[in-house]
Amino acid sequence: TQLLEQSPQFLSIQEGENLTVYCNSSSVFSSLQWYRQEPGEGPVLLVTVVTGGEVKKLKRLTFQFGDARKDSSLHITAAQPGDTGLYLCAGGGEDMRFGAGTRLTVKP
Amino acid sequence: DVKVTQSSRYLVKRTGEKVFLECVQDMDHENMFWYRQDPGLGLRLIYFSYDVKMKEKGDIPEGYSVSREKKERFSLILESASTNQTSMYLCASSFWGRAPAHGYTFGSGTRLTVV
Repeated sequence: TQLLEQSPQFLSIQEGENLTVYCNSSSVFSSLQWYRQEPGEGPVLLVTVVTGGEVKKLKRLTFQFGDARKDSSLHITAAQPGDTGLYLCAGGGEDMRFGAGTRLTVKP
Repeated sequence: DVKVTQSSRYLVKRTGEKVFLECVQDMDHENMFWYRQDPGLGLRLIYFSYDVKMKEKGDIPEGYSVSREKKERFSLILESASTNQTSMYLCASSFWGRAPAHGYTFGSGTRLTVV
């Protein structure tokens, strides 16, 4: 089983700050995905990264896939309270495995 | 609006009861999955299915079984519920061959408490 480790586990910041969360593995992945989960809901896909070194931007969110395709990062610029949630990375084949997530709280 | 629907948001069951968690998707997806989510452990794969009447064990199948009689419906069965099965259960689906690129669509989850 391919394991994904996410850090930090918890992150609490003020509105307007920048932050980066990480997803690391000892295994090589053909692609990695990032999801966001809000309380009482299922995870929702944010992005898929496929190519080593790839950078994708989604408004204030920047996703990067490591050159060796073993790790990924999510950077949020000028965080807002609406960014609050659990951020999960996932990878694998048809049956994907998930990290434990980073729980982000953005305070007004 | 496409969706994955889980029949119950909250369930409370007694130890030893047989429990059925139902999941229905309206996207004609071939793949369906059951995960449980626990704090600090993330989502762990219980069972999955690539087609009707097919099932595959995930990482933690012990104490669970599944049924997929129709393409749109995937049921998770706890044969004899125990307190360590108290958890959030998430159902997901995807098209065959497209999960790594397009990801899963999840239901809203069923929070099961076994007392």
